[in-house]
Amino acid sequence: QQQVKQSPQSLIVQKGGISIINCAYENTAFDYFPWYQQFPGKGPALLIAIRPDVSEKKEGRFTISFNKSAKQFSLHIMDSQPGDSATYFCAATYGNQFYFGTGTSLTVIP
Amino acid sequence: ETGVTQTPRHLVMGMTNKKSLKCEQHLGHNAMYWYKQSAKKPLELMFVYSLEERVENNSVPSRFSPECPNSSHLFLHLHTLQPEDSALYLCASSQLQHWDRGYSNYGYTFGSGTRLTVV
Repeated sequence: QQQVKQSPQSLIVQKGGISIINCAYENTAFDYFPWYQQFPGKGPALLIAIRPDVSEKKEGRFTISFNKSAKQFSLHIMDSQPGDSATYFCAATYGNQFYFGTGTSLTVIP
Repeated sequence: ETGVTQTPRHLVMGMTNKKSLKCEQHLGHNAMYWYKQSAKKPLELMFVYSLEERVENNSVPSRFSPECPNSSHLFLHLHTLQPEDSALYLCASSQLQHWDRGYSNYGYTFGSGTRLTVV
């Protein structure tokens, strides 16, 4: 059973637009929700993360929205740029258990 | 060198070959991991070395065997692989934090991976 479900699988956005990637989870024990960004030829890198005691976290153009009751969280990329084109993974963790989504390939068109 | 370094970056091997992947972390972390990344699938945890213990995913075939000689180095030994083993193999490290319920992992630092092709 997949612990974290991520959608969409791929996303194409115009430069300046908003990119939104969604994730859902089932296990209420999860206590940390990171997002990773992966460029071709590189390993994933931590982008932003949130704990379930807050509903939103913003870092620059990147925002995580967290809905604890719905067991969903999403990544919003404001003013999307071609340099944001990458694969994005959500994850959910508790203790040393780490579960990744299947990834979203984002393409930002100039 | 900083972060997590993996070598080689690319590897092509026949099904009868034996090869090893190498990983080195320069972050002083106390846990190291091997992950397999295949297209359109979640990252698959293969092996964990943390606090001098080894944890493995029981679904990983025995043709993969890890070795962790110290807290900074990690190897993945490969032998008699199959074409379906072709994937990106990622090494990661993390600093496990102890609290009253056990240990927590608040994020990985990944290497750039080894792109493995089995022919």
